[in-house]
Amino acid sequence: DGGITQSPKYLFRKEGQNVTLSCEQNLNHDAMYWYRQDPGQGLRLIYYSQIVNDFQKGDIAEGYSVSREKKESFPLTVTSAQKNPTAFYLCASSINLPDGLYGYTFGSGTRLTVV
Amino acid sequence: SQQGEEDPQALSIQEGENATMNCSYKTSINNLQWYRQNSGRGLVHLILIRSNEREKHSGRLRVTLDTSKKSSSLLITASRAADTASYFCARGNASGGSYIPTFGRGTSLIVHP
Repeated sequence: DGGITQSPKYLFRKEGQNVTLSCEQNLNHDAMYWYRQDPGQGLRLIYYSQIVNDFQKGDIAEGYSVSREKKESFPLTVTSAQKNPTAFYLCASSINLPDGLYGYTFGSGTRLTVV
Repeated sequence: SQQGEEDPQALSIQEGENATMNCSYKTSINNLQWYRQNSGRGLVHLILIRSNEREKHSGRLRVTLDTSKKSSSLLITASRAADTASYFCARGNASGGSYIPTFGRGTSLIVHP
């Protein structure tokens, strides 16, 4: 089955540590995205990538970093510079059409907690 | 980025009743999409309506779009307890060849059996 896989489902981070969240898709989608969701809030865009080896900052990129070395993979690193990282992180992918005719496919999320 | 809101923020109904939730936006769009999120899960795409469409149906879902009022509504008819979830609209616009939708805070729907 085609889909998008996020791992781990739950992640605990100590203060001052960097952690990396995995996102893999086998849908052959061009574009991939990372969103952050806080309780009772909507999704806020962290980073997105439309093609391999290229990515753009979203609305809340500070304290995060990404890479896109393969079409299938778009890992997100939450660095120690992110002061409030506890949140639910969602990865998504889509075919890269400018008029957005295709909806997004989302992973099942990673819940990150700072301990 | 574009901002907009879904309303109401929360909706509680009995099974069998209809549920209506609304989405507003501020700038022009190419299309608007509705998503559903079960608690602690990712979002699932429900329906897409293009800016030149006024109404679209999918099973028990009916979406309308009024571009003059910059608003859309999602109607779930004959609701079921399994419809309990949060519902988000994503407002889409193309900018420089990229398509980045923005999401509101969603409507939390509870359907009581």
